[in-house]
Amino acid sequence: DGGITQSPKYLFRKEGQNVTLSCEQNLNHDAMYWYRQDPGQGLRLIYYSQIVNDFQKGDIAEGYSVSREKKESFPLTVTSAQKNPTAFYLCASSPGVGQPQHFGDGTRLSIL
Amino acid sequence: AQSVTQLGSHVSVSEGALVLLRCNYSSSVPPYLFWYVQYPNQGLQLLLKYTSAATLVKGINGFEAEFKKSETSFHLTKPSAHMSDAAEYFCAVSRGGNEKLTFGTGTRLTIIP
Repeated sequence: DGGITQSPKYLFRKEGQNVTLSCEQNLNHDAMYWYRQDPGQGLRLIYYSQIVNDFQKGDIAEGYSVSREKKESFPLTVTSAQKNPTAFYLCASSPGVGQPQHFGDGTRLSIL
Repeated sequence: AQSVTQLGSHVSVSEGALVLLRCNYSSSVPPYLFWYVQYPNQGLQLLLKYTSAATLVKGINGFEAEFKKSETSFHLTKPSAHMSDAAEYFCAVSRGGNEKLTFGTGTRLTIIP
């Protein structure tokens, strides 16, 4: 079955540490997205990519970085510059920007 | 820029009662509108979408939504609530093309037995 796989499901970060969240899709979608979800705030867009080797900042990109070297993969790095990283992170993909998005099951990141 | 407003961050209905979740949008051009559902500790799942065809859109799990341009609304309804409908629901809007989706802040639906 086609879908989006996020790993790990739970992740813990120490102070000053960078961590990378994995997102892989086998839907052959061109566009991929990373969202952060906090209680009562809905989804906030971190980064998105419309095509391989290209990505754009979303609304809350500070303290995060991404790469898009392959169509199937869009990893997110939460850097030590992100002072409040505790949240639920969702990856999504769509055939193109503006089209319905398919979501992974998320990664919950916590601070040790 | 387009935006969506979901009225009511929490809605409770009795099992078997009508479910009504409200979504109003603002968009300078005819929008594409979506409803998603999220169960605890999971990602979002598309319930239904409006893309300028029929104004009454039927989705999965017995849900439907009606696009009302005069009211700039896209409310989600289900005639009879089931315990399994308890979840968080998100409305989203796009202007199509290469425009990103903009999500509302969500409505948590609780079903009372």
